[in-house]
Amino acid sequence: EAEVAQSPRYKITEKSQAVAFWCDPISGHATLYWYRQILGQGPELLVQFQDESVVDDSQLPKDRFSAERLKGVDSTLKIQPAELGDSAMYLCASSLGGQVQETQYFGPGTRLLVL
Amino acid sequence: AQSVTQLDSQVPVFEEAPVELRCNYSSSVSVYLFWYVQYPNQGLQLLLKYLSGSTLVKGINGFEAEFNKSQTSFHLRKPSVHISDTAEYFCAVRVTGGGNKLTFGTGTQLKVEL
Repeated sequence: EAEVAQSPRYKITEKSQAVAFWCDPISGHATLYWYRQILGQGPELLVQFQDESVVDDSQLPKDRFSAERLKGVDSTLKIQPAELGDSAMYLCASSLGGQVQETQYFGPGTRLLVL
Repeated sequence: AQSVTQLDSQVPVFEEAPVELRCNYSSSVSVYLFWYVQYPNQGLQLLLKYLSGSTLVKGINGFEAEFNKSQTSFHLRKPSVHISDTAEYFCAVRVTGGGNKLTFGTGTQLKVEL
């Protein structure tokens, strides 16, 4: 069964450093999502792509976070500089065409710890 | 804006006992409702979803949920739990006309004990 791939699975960094996370969605899925899940809370959408275009980044802290999906396939989420409050699980998800009834398939996540 | 409330942060239950995890939502427009499960250090897996039609929805692993529009609820149930059901369960809502954004509740930790 096809899965969403993410790397790294774990990342420890010091505050003020730059970090990057990678996601490879299920083949053929046009829509890609990045979520942040703080410990004890549900995931919160950071950014949504339709192919290579951003369709929703209203919750993305744009002063330090950036996301790209240059060829409309895999995606990178970057944080620069990292802050203590960025410690969280970063989840990537994908869906076929972005229709509201579609299932979003989640990857295993990248757990970030900022020291 | 829509919101989801999961009142129970933790639910302990003995193996083979029934369980209900509660979920209430708030929205002024029609909604689609989802339950996801998250095992330790893993991503989320879809258990079931309500889009339209029958209000009783059956999902994987023996779980089911009932959509109650008047109560604005979508409670998750299983008649007999197993140790392997120990996990975090998230209820989520998506509204019509709101794109594909999923709004999640804070989760309920189900702990199944022998």
